[in-house]
Amino acid sequence: DAGVIQSPRHEVTEMGQEVTLRCKPISGHDYLFWYRQTMMRGLELLIYFNNNVPIDDSGMPEDRFSAKMPNASFSTLKIQPSEPRDSAVYFCASSFGDAQYFGPGTRLLVL
Amino acid sequence: GENVEQHPSTLSVQEGDSAVIKCTYSDSASNYFPWYKQELGKRPQLIIDIRSNVGEKKDQRIAVTLNKTAKHFSLHITETQPEDSAVYFCAAGTGTASKLTFGTGTRLQVTL
Repeated sequence: DAGVIQSPRHEVTEMGQEVTLRCKPISGHDYLFWYRQTMMRGLELLIYFNNNVPIDDSGMPEDRFSAKMPNASFSTLKIQPSEPRDSAVYFCASSFGDAQYFGPGTRLLVL
Repeated sequence: GENVEQHPSTLSVQEGDSAVIKCTYSDSASNYFPWYKQELGKRPQLIIDIRSNVGEKKDQRIAVTLNKTAKHFSLHITETQPEDSAVYFCAAGTGTASKLTFGTGTRLQVTL
């Protein structure tokens, strides 16, 4: 298996632009998690899905962030409009059971 | 919600020595405790995990211990090697496919 796949790996955008991050979980995994990692705040859970249904979005920082999972093999995290404080590494992880496996991350820089 | 504290924030050991990283958690309902290793610029990688019905688990040079009464768990790395240098994160979660709360990380440096 290729593991969790994320795209793009790097994204540089200007403040106010829309950013869409993509994730393909490991085949057969029924949970998908979106995390954000910064030096100041560490690893934070933003939202997670079970069988494509959002279960807990309490970590989503504000209404500018939204996430969808239209099918078992694809999820998106969208930021609109983006702000410089959104600069971070965004990880997607998937699991079947407890163990979560992370993707390579998307390094986002908002200028 | 759950709160996980991790110590120390940095740890430097000589090659061949042991390293110990400690974490405490607040939610007595937490029952799953994984440890992740993250090399610079890479993804967190699961290296070992333990569930609350087990007190200790070992995998080659890595071991994890759990004290549910005291709400703390520890990672032990023996015979450290330079490739063990990385940031290590503990986490705690509850339920199936746990919603994890991560510690703040420990930067381990193994010197020759």
